[in-house]
Amino acid sequence: AQSVTQLGSHVSVSEGALVLLRCNYSSSVPPYLFWYVQYPNQGLQLLLKYTSAATLVKGINGFEAEFKKSETSFHLTKPSAHMSDAAEYFCAVSESSGSARQLTFGSGTQLTVLP
Amino acid sequence: DTAVSQTPKYLVTQMGNDKSIKCEQNLGHDTMYWYKQDSKKFLKIMFSYNNKELIINETVPNRFSPKSPDKAHLNLHINSLELGDSAVYFCASSQRVYEQYFGPGTRLTVT
Repeated sequence: AQSVTQLGSHVSVSEGALVLLRCNYSSSVPPYLFWYVQYPNQGLQLLLKYTSAATLVKGINGFEAEFKKSETSFHLTKPSAHMSDAAEYFCAVSESSGSARQLTFGSGTQLTVLP
Repeated sequence: DTAVSQTPKYLVTQMGNDKSIKCEQNLGHDTMYWYKQDSKKFLKIMFSYNNKELIINETVPNRFSPKSPDKAHLNLHINSLELGDSAVYFCASSQRVYEQYFGPGTRLTVT
């Protein structure tokens, strides 16, 4: 079974500073990888995805992530944090199960942006 | 134009009751899912379903059952509710192997 580890359950950055949220995965086959964001009392919104094309993936709201096979990592970054980025972020790996792909989520990272 | 919708948004009920949560998607996707998010925000797949097969997470109690009247709907029925069932339940959909789109969630509280 595949798994995802998100280092740091809470990350705080100052507004305008670099955002770096870490994600490592384990997989015996090339994975599909995703980052989702969850704002308070809302559902999950897809930020970006890696599906074996370009290793540097750009998403919405200025976020991007780089797939590094040698490090089994898929860290999420944003050059300059904005107050509106405060939310819970989930990294997920997709594994095939029959004709469907099921997502296995990391434990999440709560991002706080300080003024 | 909500892509994935769930009703109700909040559900408060007593132990032992039977309840259902409805999910509808208007994306034309062929696969739908149910996830459970616990109080620590950990997300776990419960079911995935398309018109060909149902995949059940082996840890899900058989008190939980998905019911799909058609391709756009996947409802979650729960029998004999327990305190530990309190959580937020998310429905999602996808087209084959691609990314999943989530509903807004249903917060279930069992008293």
